[in-house]
Amino acid sequence: ETGVTQTPRHLVMGMTNKKSLKCEQHLGHNAMYWYKQSAKKPLELMFVYSLEERVENNSVPSRFSPECPNSSHLFLHLHTLQPEDSALYLCASSQDRSGTVNSPLHFGNGTRLTVT
Amino acid sequence: KNEVEQSPQNLTAQEGEFITINCSYSVGISALHWLQQHPGGGIVSLFMLSSGKKKHGRLIATINIQEKHSSLHITASHPRDSAVYICAVRSGGSQGNLIFGKGTKLSVKP
Repeated sequence: ETGVTQTPRHLVMGMTNKKSLKCEQHLGHNAMYWYKQSAKKPLELMFVYSLEERVENNSVPSRFSPECPNSSHLFLHLHTLQPEDSALYLCASSQDRSGTVNSPLHFGNGTRLTVT
Repeated sequence: KNEVEQSPQNLTAQEGEFITINCSYSVGISALHWLQQHPGGGIVSLFMLSSGKKKHGRLIATINIQEKHSSLHITASHPRDSAVYICAVRSGGSQGNLIFGKGTKLSVKP
């Protein structure tokens, strides 16, 4: 149990579908993150939320739309995706964005997304 | 060239062997992370260090800031250590600015 829960674990969707990924943490953390992990590539930061406000968007296409309704929940809404968007999408949280020893990242188990 | 390079990319070892995974980086950093990713996908933070050496059980992480190099050592390796080990560096003061290596896939055979 990592403290960060992601659903679903696996998702297959067509290019015209709309789906959402969900992330939930009950660690009392104030910062939440979406990462993308493609085969044979490093983890790529997509979005950062701090105290429910988006503070970073790393040039992610608009077909990915994040939502953070409260400090415990983070969503990634998906629409009209491309096959190259197939990847493992990981959510993470931390106490704050200072990155100190007292604020390590806690990752979820990820959602394996396949776009057909 | 990636800003964070790990070697080797793949490593196969026999149970009990001493294992070393290396990480070199080319940017100024404030901290370096070692992460472990199991086949299911979840990632666990093993160490965060900015100088010297840290030890947790059979795992040891070292960092040489001058040489921009870190190593992760596993003593008395076990099949359950099989995973992808990822090095990430933090440049600047924000968790969001982590730069990740591609990972080293370790397989420990019984």
